[in-house]
Amino acid sequence: EDKVVQSPLSLVVHEGDTVTLNCSYEVTNFRSLLWYKQEKKAPTFLFMLTSSGIEKKSGRLSSILDKKELFSILNITATQTGDSAVYLCAVESRDDKIIFGKGTRLHILP
Amino acid sequence: DAGVIQSPRHEVTEMGQEVTLRCKPISGHNSLFWYRQTMMRGLELLIYFNNNVPIDDSGMPEDRFSAKMPNASFSTLKIQPSEPRDSAVYFCASSFWSGSTDTQYFGPGTRLTVL
Repeated sequence: EDKVVQSPLSLVVHEGDTVTLNCSYEVTNFRSLLWYKQEKKAPTFLFMLTSSGIEKKSGRLSSILDKKELFSILNITATQTGDSAVYLCAVESRDDKIIFGKGTRLHILP
Repeated sequence: DAGVIQSPRHEVTEMGQEVTLRCKPISGHNSLFWYRQTMMRGLELLIYFNNNVPIDDSGMPEDRFSAKMPNASFSTLKIQPSEPRDSAVYFCASSFWSGSTDTQYFGPGTRLTVL
């Protein structure tokens, strides 16, 4: 059965710390892995990863995919209180299925 | 924990037909969300309910779309009449609203194809 597992489920750090969020998957016919940030109601898109080893960056956020070990990490450096959110990982398959993980709740203390 | 249950998983229908998508949220959750995912627009929030009451339906594309939540354990999203541009994956998610950011649990989605 296809599945996406995120860890940790919850994380509390101090402002300025660096955090690493993990997403592992077992999905047949993998096509891409997506990261979302969910603050209010609708998740906002962060990254789409399709190739192993190529880091995607956006400001203090970066993400990389390892298709051999079947995982991805999302890094946030110099965290700010505005980074507090739930971070969702989803995997798309070539037969057009999309499977979401349960999310990592990140809380940044001022 | 059965998770969020959606049905059907796939539907292919002809233009003009009525489509009804169903969702059973996780027991005990008080918020329910309907999303649409397409390649062009990504993930879009259509509507969400809190305690069975629609709170924000500003994402519903047009009058052809309607959603109901008659009780805490069931919701429907209806498209009438359907059009080819409605083809997408429709996700239902549920959460327990506790006054701060709530983690949403997504269902497996319904893939809708309108010919």
